[in-house]
Amino acid sequence: NVLTQSPGTLSLTPGDRATLSCRASQTVNSRDLAWYQQKPGQAPRLLIYGVSSRATGIPDRFSGSGSGTDFTLTISSVEPEDFAVYYCQQYGGSPLYTFGQGTTLEIK
Amino acid sequence: QVQLQESGPGVVKPSGTLSLSCAVSGGSIISTNWWSWVRQPPGKGLEWIGEIDQSGSTTYNPSFKSQVTMSVDKSKNQFSLILTSVTAADTAVYYCARNGYWSMDVWGKGTTVSVSS
Repeated sequence: NVLTQSPGTLSLTPGDRATLSCRASQTVNSRDLAWYQQKPGQAPRLLIYGVSSRATGIPDRFSGSGSGTDFTLTISSVEPEDFAVYYCQQYGGSPLYTFGQGTTLEIK
Repeated sequence: QVQLQESGPGVVKPSGTLSLSCAVSGGSIISTNWWSWVRQPPGKGLEWIGEIDQSGSTTYNPSFKSQVTMSVDKSKNQFSLILTSVTAADTAVYYCARNGYWSMDVWGKGTTVSVSS
């Protein structure tokens, strides 16, 4: 299952709403889609699992939604610390885990 | 609070063997969790290599199947990755991670491995 993220780069100002897309080439089970944030020089951090459940300690400005083949990560009001690369990840199939190519959220 | 720490040589010669370990602290490797290895080539995205559970059962990414072996050492509370016949394409940051709800909820900081003569 191939995951395609768009846009490749999103340029926003703090306070803006961010909408990141992840499209799968095949239908994804509702529990099997996750989102990660990665800052330069750091490991990825789990933000969202099961399409819409926030991981421990993740602020409620982050939300996930979607079904079937189309999924969205929304940041309701971007904070300065949110500028990073975001990856979606799908579980199931072969290989068992696949990642999208990433969306870079940069300061406009 | 479970923490993971990767360790291993930073440089491996072409056609050689890459060997990494991941130490688990703040919890036991003997749990219902599976444990994964993920890598990230310079400037690129994330690639899942495979997973192992505490009994030693494994699932590998088919892209690595001929190259990869994972193992677990319960006495040391750690798990390991071996990648054989490495080339420059295997140069990457290698992460170990704990599998949670169909995702990876705890990550090590990563270790950089360069394949170079």
